[in-house]
Amino acid sequence: DVKVTQSSRYLVKRTGEKVFLECVQDMDHENMFWYRQDPGLGLRLIYFSYDVKMKEKGDIPEGYSVSREKKERFSLILESASTNQTSMYLCASSKMGQGNTEAFFGQGTRLTVV
Amino acid sequence: AQRVTQPEKLLSVFKGAPVELKCNYSYSGSPELFWYVQYSRQRLQLLLRHISRESIKGFTADLNKGETSFHLKKPFAQEEDSAMYYCALISNFGNEKLTFGTGTRLTIIP
Repeated sequence: DVKVTQSSRYLVKRTGEKVFLECVQDMDHENMFWYRQDPGLGLRLIYFSYDVKMKEKGDIPEGYSVSREKKERFSLILESASTNQTSMYLCASSKMGQGNTEAFFGQGTRLTVV
Repeated sequence: AQRVTQPEKLLSVFKGAPVELKCNYSYSGSPELFWYVQYSRQRLQLLLRHISRESIKGFTADLNKGETSFHLKKPFAQEEDSAMYYCALISNFGNEKLTFGTGTRLTIIP
């Protein structure tokens, strides 16, 4: 019963390429998040969205942008990939209006930029 | 700004011994706090939330507002507890930004 799905498990891209990471959730959640997960640095929030077409910067938005055209889909875009963006990327979603609500995570996309 | 600190990157404990994973937070309001866990080759998932005051898999966590801490405890460690543990915080004012700590890798020694 997969609830949050990321389009790719592994990606290898070249420096300077434009990269799209896709995330889809089937729980009708308002909130969606993109994190990167690096050893020793934990999960760092890149961007999040609380409604269609609404977005807020997280802690490390530089070099990234996002798109939320439909409620169920949240895309992360690397405008010009660089080697320091090699990482594991995690998408999550949660129900709005309940501060104690559980966030559900995707399986992750391991991106390597060469 | 909201921040979560987990001072231990690695923690090794013998099976049957007590476990305590530390978490401290900084936030000006009253946050909602959580512990998430990631077992090997599995997705990150919720372990417990402070508002529920529940015990999950023998783990408990008490919110101490005076010390701004939310430490995770278990009296007797089991081998299946080996995993990566993340403390997390949601602000309860305005947006629902979910912030994580740096994580603690817990290894249970048989």
